[in-house]
Amino acid sequence: DAGVTQSPTHLIKTRGQQVTLRCSPKSGHDTVSWYQQALGQGPQFIFQYYEEEERQRGNFPDRFSGHQFPNYSSELNVNALLLGDSALYLCASSFGAGWNSPLHFGNGTRLTVT
Amino acid sequence: AQTVTQSQPEMSVQEAETVTLSCTYDTSESDYYLFWYKQPPSRQMILVIRQEAYKQQNATENRFSVNFQKAAKSFSLKISDSQLGDAAMYFCAYRRGVGDSNYQLIWGAGTKLIIKP
Repeated sequence: DAGVTQSPTHLIKTRGQQVTLRCSPKSGHDTVSWYQQALGQGPQFIFQYYEEEERQRGNFPDRFSGHQFPNYSSELNVNALLLGDSALYLCASSFGAGWNSPLHFGNGTRLTVT
Repeated sequence: AQTVTQSQPEMSVQEAETVTLSCTYDTSESDYYLFWYKQPPSRQMILVIRQEAYKQQNATENRFSVNFQKAAKSFSLKISDSQLGDAAMYFCAYRRGVGDSNYQLIWGAGTKLIIKP
């Protein structure tokens, strides 16, 4: 049973560029959440997708956008990259709202913006 | 707004001994969940233990247990018989309760746990 898979593992981009990160949820899960974890800090909630719609969004600018596909996989897109976007991006999946289904995390994508 | 504070950036413990990691939080809600997650060098967040605020009994998972003090808004993690594999970053996290349309986890800054052989 595959867990949450994220791709790519590492990514280096230049300021101003755009990036797309991908996440496949654990089998049986239908909800995907994205978190940004800056170096030495705890994760910050970006947004959550359920039934192909953004259900909740954290305090992130519109440069951060996402999508969920019918197979529940998800993408995180970041436009006009800034140096401050350098971080580990974590994807977490759950079933429904996750009250009785704990979040399962992937290994993250390390994004470096130069 | 809810906040989570971990005041210990780093802790070290001798293998086989016991260590306690501290976490305090601030909320005006009465219904919520608290979590401890472990993040090893592999970067994957792994759930260690979970506590529902309405439960008075402290949660326990094998060598891991919590001391949940609701009035003091404190949620510490005790690791007994520490093992080398316990070395990792430990994060305390908060989430509002069932039925609330706020699904996000709010995280502390983490505590790095070092296990001395």
